[in-house]
Amino acid sequence: GAGVSQSPRYKVAKRGQDVALRCDPISGHVSLFWYQQALGQGPEFLTYFQNEAQLDKSGLPSDRFFAERPEGSVSTLKIQRTQQEDSAVYLCASNLIAGDYNEQFFGPGTRLTVL
Amino acid sequence: AQKITQTQPGMFVQEKEAVTLDCTYDTSDPSYGLFWYKQPSSGEMIFLIYQGSYDQQNATEGRYSLNFQKARKSANLVISASQLGDSAMYFCAMREALQGAQKLVFGQGTRLTINP
Repeated sequence: GAGVSQSPRYKVAKRGQDVALRCDPISGHVSLFWYQQALGQGPEFLTYFQNEAQLDKSGLPSDRFFAERPEGSVSTLKIQRTQQEDSAVYLCASNLIAGDYNEQFFGPGTRLTVL
Repeated sequence: AQKITQTQPGMFVQEKEAVTLDCTYDTSDPSYGLFWYKQPSSGEMIFLIYQGSYDQQNATEGRYSLNFQKARKSANLVISASQLGDSAMYFCAMREALQGAQKLVFGQGTRLTINP
């Protein structure tokens, strides 16, 4: 069975460009998470969806960051007017049941480099 | 205050030896879960083991075990009989039940290197 997939795997953007990062969670998974992982650091939470509802966006660092999951499956993280500090690996994770202590399954990440 | 603290930036261990990776946590929530993930150089986060705050016994999964000391708020990962393929970054993470929070809070990680 397919795991969580993310595309693109690598993205290079010039400062000021907009980027869109895609996440395909495991089929049927209710919960979807985005994390940002800076070089040499642990992942940090950005936002969380339960089906199509964005229930927590407390980790989004600025209003340049926007995430959506319109049909409760695929999600897109959009970063507008990218800046050098946005350079990081963006990880997507999903789990089957909301509100349960089951593991989150992670995708391979998208490495974003802003020049 | 740091919610998850991993005090060992790097660890070097001989193959076949056991290794303990330290993790302490901070929470006022009586209900929480503790996770360990492995991140090889390929970048993917691989789930290793889970411990619930109300679990009476320490979690075990094959060569992995979690030394859970609730009063000390520690959740150390023990890898027995280490293998070359265990070389990776290891992250401790916590999820709190407070207000239905779903997110994982991660520590800074420990880079484990297994020497032949």
